[in-house]
Amino acid sequence: EDQVTQSPEALRLQEGESSSLNCSYTVSGLRGLFWYRQDPGKGPEFLFTLYSAGEEKEKERLKATLTKKESFLHITAPKPEDSATYLCAVQASGSARQLTFGSGTQLTVLP
Amino acid sequence: NAGVTQTPKFQVLKTGQSMTLQCAQDMNHEYMSWYRQDPGMGLRLIHYSVGAGITDQGEVPNGYNVSRSTTEDFPLRLLSAAPSQTSVYFCASSRAYLQGSSYGYTFGSGTRLTVV
Repeated sequence: EDQVTQSPEALRLQEGESSSLNCSYTVSGLRGLFWYRQDPGKGPEFLFTLYSAGEEKEKERLKATLTKKESFLHITAPKPEDSATYLCAVQASGSARQLTFGSGTQLTVLP
Repeated sequence: NAGVTQTPKFQVLKTGQSMTLQCAQDMNHEYMSWYRQDPGMGLRLIHYSVGAGITDQGEVPNGYNVSRSTTEDFPLRLLSAAPSQTSVYFCASSRAYLQGSSYGYTFGSGTRLTVV
């Protein structure tokens, strides 16, 4: 059974204070690992897809990295507008496999 | 290009009533899926489809039906609503093949359902 565990559950940062969110996963062959951002009352918004260990992707203040067992979402010099819940999901290899999500990390960036 | 459109945005049902949550996408995506989101439990897969005429069950399918008669539409039917089905429901769509791409699943804005 595919499993995704995100930590911490909640994180409060001061503006400009860099940190990392963790996503540990167990999957029977990884096809892709996805990071999403979700604002209150809205649907998840796609950020990154990572496909193989060692891969990194960046977007503004966010950088996602991937190893064989976990992924990190690094947030550099965050701003209050980065406050959101960040979701990690995996897609297992095999035909038509869908996403398995973690419970998310709720990030609050204080001005 | 509207992406994934879900209707209604909010719904209150009485126990035992039935209803259909609508989902439509205009990106010609092969894959479509339904998730429910409950506090502390993340998003859980209800049903999914890999193309018109093909559907399959996800992690929590009981009490729900789906059909996919066209590429664009993937409605979710609640047969006899129960309070345990109170949740936020999200529809998502994707291309069938993402390997190496910078794309992911696209989600709708959700339907917040309360069953009393």
